[in-house]
Amino acid sequence: GAVVSQHPSWVICKSGTSVKIECRSLDFQATTMFWYRQFPKQSLMLMATSNEGSKATYEQGVEKDKFLINHASLTLSTLTVTSAHPEDSSFYICSAPTPDRAYGYTFGSGTRLTVV
Amino acid sequence: AQKITQTQPGMFVQEKEAVTLDCTYDTSDPSYGLFWYKQPSSGEMIFLIYQGSYDQQNATEGRYSLNFQKARKSANLVISASQLGDSAMYFCAMVGYGQNFVFGPGTRLSVLP
Repeated sequence: GAVVSQHPSWVICKSGTSVKIECRSLDFQATTMFWYRQFPKQSLMLMATSNEGSKATYEQGVEKDKFLINHASLTLSTLTVTSAHPEDSSFYICSAPTPDRAYGYTFGSGTRLTVV
Repeated sequence: AQKITQTQPGMFVQEKEAVTLDCTYDTSDPSYGLFWYKQPSSGEMIFLIYQGSYDQQNATEGRYSLNFQKARKSANLVISASQLGDSAMYFCAMVGYGQNFVFGPGTRLSVLP
């Protein structure tokens, strides 16, 4: 079945540095990728939607200059957290529409980011 | 706007018993899909079950069934014969035509031995 591979699974970085998170669709082409953030004990909140070959669409309140999203190919979407601060520490997860079903989305395994 | 409500922050169930997790939704779309996902402590989102708004029968997937009551806008998840491995967060979600996923706040299920 369709798989979205997300890396890294966890990362610890120093405040002020940038972190890149990758989501790759395996065995299928993902023209759209959704990026979510999840704080502890909370639900998933959509941050942005990336579309291959065009600019990402950001949800209200999400800083596009801080959370850079690139969808350069049909199998790779990246989220870069720039100048990370401790308040950016969270669980980030991506998902793409599942091609072999008329419904449903395939999620990556998530990235736990800790900024110290 | 779409909205999902899960009124049970936490639930306990004895192993081998059945449990119902509540979910109500609000949408003006005539066509939509309802989903349940399981999120264990590892963080991955595991798809459990799907119900389309036009589906006449309640969806079932193994030990999971969805009690879909369209008029009441509810889509409760029923887990039969609970297992210790069922302990996790459970999210109800929906997607309408041309719209993004909307997740509920989640219910933490704890299965007791």
